Amino acid sequence: LAKTTQPISMDSYEGQEVNITCSHNNIATNDYITWYQQFPSQGPRFIIQGYKTKVTNEVASLFIPADRKSSTLSLPRVSLSDTAVYYCLVGDMGYQKVTFGTGTKLQVIP
Amino acid sequence: EAQVTQNPRYLITVTGKKLTVTCSQNMNHEYMSWYRQDPGLGLRQIYYSMNVEVTDKGDVPEGYKVSRKEKRNFPLILESPSPNQTSLYFCASKLRPGESNYGYTFGSGTRLTVV
Repeated sequence: LAKTTQPISMDSYEGQEVNITCSHNNIATNDYITWYQQFPSQGPRFIIQGYKTKVTNEVASLFIPADRKSSTLSLPRVSLSDTAVYYCLVGDMGYQKVTFGTGTKLQVIP
Repeated sequence: EAQVTQNPRYLITVTGKKLTVTCSQNMNHEYMSWYRQDPGLGLRQIYYSMNVEVTDKGDVPEGYKVSRKEKRNFPLILESPSPNQTSLYFCASKLRPGESNYGYTFGSGTRLTVV
């Protein structure tokens, strides 16, 4: 499983766009990139997944450059309820052994 | 409602007293896994199961046992709990290893305190 590096924490004001970058230099050809969101005392929740270029859903966008050595989760116009820890996972679709790491703690400020 | 159900939500026990945390999913998922979460350490995988009767160690298996006798259930067993197993535990499931299918579904967590 590819090792990932994320910022430990980020602050943002309400209404702003937030971009969280994940570095995964040793990503393998078969690996996908998946992001999860976790609120305090709750289990992580799937946000978005991608392989290359750009993926968008109703809550976020995921940007993956051509070399795939990093990815950026973009949250448009964050609100206080987006305050959470965000995890980046990189692995093949097998996912037998999964490491979440410590994630990025996003604090949204009024 | 599709979900992963863990019980109990909270548990306080004493050192050495065997306990079991249950996990059940109603989505016919093949893959199930247990994680523990500790401050500053993120989520660490304890054990996982690819299917019935197939289990394997994650990153931190010491002091834990699991079983997968039926597809829907994946209990976590602490034969002789110690204070360093005080943690927040999560069970998760996924359709099958090769499926994307919106990733893992997690349970609500079990907060265990061993005194």
